[in-house]
Amino acid sequence: ETGVTQTPRHLVMGMTNKKSLKCEQHLGHNAMYWYKQSAKKPLELMFVYSLEERVENNSVPSRFSPECPNSSHLFLHLHTLQPEDSALYLCASSQYVGTYEQYFGPGTRLTVT
Amino acid sequence: GESVGLHLPTLSVQEGDNSIINCAYSNSASDYFIWYKQESGKGPQFIIDIRSNMDKRQGQRVTVLLNKTVKHLSLQIAATQPGDSAVYFCAETYGQNFVFGPGTRLSVLP
Repeated sequence: ETGVTQTPRHLVMGMTNKKSLKCEQHLGHNAMYWYKQSAKKPLELMFVYSLEERVENNSVPSRFSPECPNSSHLFLHLHTLQPEDSALYLCASSQYVGTYEQYFGPGTRLTVT
Repeated sequence: GESVGLHLPTLSVQEGDNSIINCAYSNSASDYFIWYKQESGKGPQFIIDIRSNMDKRQGQRVTVLLNKTVKHLSLQIAATQPGDSAVYFCAETYGQNFVFGPGTRLSVLP
């Protein structure tokens, strides 16, 4: 596989469920990102990781918990979400943090019921 | 993978004509600007970028213009093709912070 992949592509979960989103990049990049794209707002940066260390957390609620076990994988753990968290969650990578050319995955369409 | 639900401005252009997509940014301290293209069902794709110390940059069939006086950015697409149909949005960056615009939907007419 090439580029940035995300699984699952679609996810429906109840407010009491716990689920995880997975992102994998095959580009040899050192920085990875989580974004939220909702129906009512422009794209929002959530988290930034550089070499497995979190370097940015844009005031994201604690019900979203990122994990970066290595520079190729990024997870977003979800628990007790709200219906307003329904959105497209996009993962991206770049060579380094501060390299602005980012490569995005296709996203996970999340619906919270 | 698009900004569904947002009432995006739409630009309809005849195939072969040039397209101009505009973006207003908010922070005069932003030092880097990027244009992205997002096709239906896909994540955003980097098109072209420009640093704040430049006012014009050209790529393949695309040109970005930056007017810092009025905090305005534009993307020009030459000889627009059906494959250019997508949502286009700009992003401004300062430090590690990215702020994205809502986007413009480009529709290419045959």
